[in-house]
Amino acid sequence: GNSVTQMEGPVTLSEEAFLTINCTYTATGYPSLFWYVQYPGEGLQLLLKATKADDKGSNKGFEATYRKETTSFHLEKGSVQVSDSAVYFCARKGLGGYNKLIFGAGTRLAVHP
Amino acid sequence: DAGVIQSPRHEVTEMGQEVTLRCKPISGHDYLFWYRQTMMRGLELLIYFNNNVPIDDSGMPEDRFSAKMPNASFSTLKIQPSEPRDSAVYFCASSGRGNQPQHFGDGTRLSIL
Repeated sequence: GNSVTQMEGPVTLSEEAFLTINCTYTATGYPSLFWYVQYPGEGLQLLLKATKADDKGSNKGFEATYRKETTSFHLEKGSVQVSDSAVYFCARKGLGGYNKLIFGAGTRLAVHP
Repeated sequence: DAGVIQSPRHEVTEMGQEVTLRCKPISGHDYLFWYRQTMMRGLELLIYFNNNVPIDDSGMPEDRFSAKMPNASFSTLKIQPSEPRDSAVYFCASSGRGNQPQHFGDGTRLSIL
């Protein structure tokens, strides 16, 4: 297999709530893993990454830990803000020596005041 | 730092017309990717280049689509003839080698009437 599966959205939360967006991957070996965020009307931006098992990527209060046992890379944030409303994409590096990424379908997050 | 630059930002044209989308990658990046994003199909990789050479064009939907990279600082995606079902946001991204993340442009919103 060569895929990335994310939880379906939309995810709707109140401000300051805890966020988890699940992501699992199939792979041979231990590919680098990424979370990207897309704000309305913009391109995707790298949010965080982890390049090997047990690594934790973090940025802007978001965290994700590379768990090889469960082939997961769940995104978490302790207290979301309205400005976090966006679409979040989980991705893994493709097979071979090229920098192709395999993206999940994306999860839309809506945070209300 | 200049990011990935795409032009035009918006394009509205009638079906049957030729459409050319342009991309300037980040200087020094070895890889260039073209994606298409729609509500129905999400984010799709169309084609990518390494050192100006097309590596995988299996995502190009049909012969009406073509992409070129004549040099390290410029790429085009051409649709001829265009059809209403080609309406989408088209993103260009570039990256360096190894585990470098992809950097996305702001996209071209294409509407075929």
